[in-house]
Amino acid sequence: KAGVTQTPRYLIKTRGQQVTLSCSPISGHRSVSWYQQTPGQGLQFLFEYFSETQRNKGNFPGRFSGRQFSNSRSEMNVSTLELGDSALYLCASSRGQGNEKLFFGSGTQLSVL
Amino acid sequence: ELKVEQNPLFLSMQEGKNYTIYCNYSTTSDRLYWYRQDPGKSLESLFVLLSNGAVKQEGRLMASLDTKARLSTLHITAAVHDLSATYFCAGDGGATNKLIFGTGTLLAVQP
Repeated sequence: KAGVTQTPRYLIKTRGQQVTLSCSPISGHRSVSWYQQTPGQGLQFLFEYFSETQRNKGNFPGRFSGRQFSNSRSEMNVSTLELGDSALYLCASSRGQGNEKLFFGSGTQLSVL
Repeated sequence: ELKVEQNPLFLSMQEGKNYTIYCNYSTTSDRLYWYRQDPGKSLESLFVLLSNGAVKQEGRLMASLDTKARLSTLHITAAVHDLSATYFCAGDGGATNKLIFGTGTLLAVQP
């Protein structure tokens, strides 16, 4: 069974640009969550999608957005990039029932110059 | 909002020794999760603890949950080098799949 796939693995952008990250969940999983990992703030929840609907959102500015498609694949978009957006972005998939393991992808390492 | 604290932040162990990582959380969390992260890699789920008194074991790792004390522990028995990694605990953030992570414990097992 294929795991959670995130693309691209690495990205370098400059301030003010926008970026789109992609996440393909494990087959049969309908929930995709996104997390940001930085040395200073650690792991922080961005948002969660289930059946194409955003169910939960963390405390991030509106520049961070996402969506989910009918095949459960999800994209995350960050507009008007800031230096502080440099981070490892991880997505995780699950069946979405709660009380369950999250399966994380390898992440996208974003560097903003 | 839930706050999760781990200690120690860094743990250097000798192979064959036992040690415990502690995870305290600030408010009620019905569930507690443990993850492992190798350098440059993703998070691997170790345990999901769903109720007070829950104990789970996998190999040399054993996790427990005391919801009354708001404490979870990850006990390492007879450490081996392959256990070197960063270990995170996470509590229930009050919404499905919203986890609040601790700062992580960097474990280095020395031969």
